[in-house]
Amino acid sequence: NAGVTQTPKFQVLKTGQSMTLQCAQDMNHNSMYWYRQDPGMGLRLIYYSASEGTTDKGEVPNGYNVSRLNKREFSLRLESAAPSQTSVYFCASCSKGINSPLHFGNGTRLTVT
Amino acid sequence: QKEVEQNSGPLSVPEGAIASLNCTYSDRGSQSFFWYRQYSGKSPELIMFIYSNGDKEDGRFTAQLNKASQYVSLLIRDSQPSDSATYLCAVNYNFNKFYFGSGTKLNVKP
Repeated sequence: NAGVTQTPKFQVLKTGQSMTLQCAQDMNHNSMYWYRQDPGMGLRLIYYSASEGTTDKGEVPNGYNVSRLNKREFSLRLESAAPSQTSVYFCASCSKGINSPLHFGNGTRLTVT
Repeated sequence: QKEVEQNSGPLSVPEGAIASLNCTYSDRGSQSFFWYRQYSGKSPELIMFIYSNGDKEDGRFTAQLNKASQYVSLLIRDSQPSDSATYLCAVNYNFNKFYFGSGTKLNVKP
């Protein structure tokens, strides 16, 4: 059981380049999330998808787009990368229910030069 | 903006002592509360959750929730060097929307 799988694990981009971070879960979860984590700032919600076909902005959505491709997959796209987007990105998922915890992928470490 | 506040630490405790980690949250509509542990360079892993006022125990861990004071805490008994990590408090607001504190770094000294 793989859980939440993120690709790639590491990426270096130049300013202005674009890329898509991929995330897939095999737990039949309804909700999926993208967070970024910067030193001393905890996890900040970028976008989330409460169910297949819906997406909503989180705390820091500017500069990002998302696609909930199907129930399993939720991708995060940077159209024109900026140095301020250097961070560790985590995808997470959870099932329905207020006590359902988030399950995290292993993260993508992105550096924008 | 839903705020979740934690003392960044580091909190240093000797091996075998009780470590007490605290978290406050701003939104009274928050419904459930989670504690995650994160080792350096790794992803967060769930320790436990709580949604009712009072205490909830799981092994060496006890979560405490006081909704009137908007306060949640995690106690770690018999702290071990392997407990040294950053502890993240997460608040579930409005069904499946999670906000995190910035984390408290715990150092357990042998």
